[in-house]
Amino acid sequence: DQQVKQNSPSLSVQEGRISILNCDYTNSMFDYFLWYKKYPAEGPTFLISISSIKDKNEDGRFTVFLNKSAKHLSLHIVPSQPGDSAVYFCAARDNQGGKLIFGQGTELSVKP
Amino acid sequence: DTGVSQDPRHKITKRGQNVTFRCDPISEHNRLYWYRQTLGQGPEFLTYFQNEAQLEKSRLLSDRFSAERPKGSFSTLEIQRTEQGDSAMYLCASSSPWGGLETQYFGPGTRLLVL
Repeated sequence: DQQVKQNSPSLSVQEGRISILNCDYTNSMFDYFLWYKKYPAEGPTFLISISSIKDKNEDGRFTVFLNKSAKHLSLHIVPSQPGDSAVYFCAARDNQGGKLIFGQGTELSVKP
Repeated sequence: DTGVSQDPRHKITKRGQNVTFRCDPISEHNRLYWYRQTLGQGPEFLTYFQNEAQLEKSRLLSDRFSAERPKGSFSTLEIQRTEQGDSAMYLCASSSPWGGLETQYFGPGTRLLVL
């Protein structure tokens, strides 16, 4: 069963506009959520995270929102830049052991 | 560079051969994780170590897979009698649970192709 889902396989945004990437989860026991960015042939690069006790975390152009009642999180990138084009993965941490459960990824394309 | 390193970056092997991958975590990170990623999917957890102790193994990790972290520093992942279905990117990550929320930092991965 897919405990973490990213239902949009791709997203295309104009440079300078907002990118919103979404993620849904099913397990209420996840205690920590992370977003990673991945370029082809490289490992995932950590972007931003949020604890389950918070509803928002901001770092520069990146903001993550967590809606626990809806079991939904989103990553906002403002303003989007062509260098942001990559695959974005959301991940949830299993509070029983620390392993991460990843979504399938969303490929973001930011067009000049 | 003090990030997570993995060796080799690429490996092509024939079905039935054994392969071994190495991961060097960030210095002083006591947790080390192995994940596998196939095309179009997110990384899937395989196993993790805290220091030299292997604390959890996924059911994805068949008997042909074994991982070690003998001195609590680098780790190796061995696949015996490789199958074509083993072709994937094998990712290693390390973390330190101290000082607040734990973030896993990933290496560049080892891409395995089994012919």
